[in-house]
Amino acid sequence: GENVEQHPSTLSVQEGDSAVIKCTYSDSASNYFPWYKQELGKRPQLIIDIRSNVGEKKDQRIAVTLNKTAKHFSLHITETQPEDSAVYFCAASDDKIIFGKGTRLHILP
Amino acid sequence: DAGVIQSPRHEVTEMGQEVTLRCKPISGHNSLFWYRQTMMRGLELLIYFNNNVPIDDSGMPEDRFSAKMPNASFSTLKIQPSEPRDSAVYFCASALDRGNEKLFFGSGTQLSVL
Repeated sequence: GENVEQHPSTLSVQEGDSAVIKCTYSDSASNYFPWYKQELGKRPQLIIDIRSNVGEKKDQRIAVTLNKTAKHFSLHITETQPEDSAVYFCAASDDKIIFGKGTRLHILP
Repeated sequence: DAGVIQSPRHEVTEMGQEVTLRCKPISGHNSLFWYRQTMMRGLELLIYFNNNVPIDDSGMPEDRFSAKMPNASFSTLKIQPSEPRDSAVYFCASALDRGNEKLFFGSGTQLSVL
């Protein structure tokens, strides 16, 4: 079955700087790659997703890139703000969504 | 729509007791997923249903866990007997159709088995 690896597990960046989270997946049949944000004590919520026929997608300060050949995908957050502090999960799916273990992002003042 | 509704929000029980978690998906969604979240293991997929039929239960840890979806608006996850290592947050999520669409999560059930 699908296995998703996510790095780093913890990331601290200065407010205003960029943050990058990287994931790899194992199943070449996966064709949908969402990213979820989970604030403390709350439910995960979708922030952006990308499908296998696209290499890059951007939504304001958030962008995702996908390299299907290498089975890598990444989340980029630019101009980070305090409200970006949360746990971020990458995931891969060809039918069922399998999550990485998450990255705890701290935005330092 | 009120979103995905889970109950109870919190459950504290003693080892050996039966625990039943409940979920009402968003109306019109055909797929329902049960996830378990712990610090060590992250978000693990336990089982998912499509059109009320279990499609993949390979993530169910052992025979103590069972899940049902008797109709399109209700699902249960049962643990019998419960053990302390089952302590976790259990999320139910629904999607329009299978897992290639946005998941809408419920607020979760915080389970503590003493």
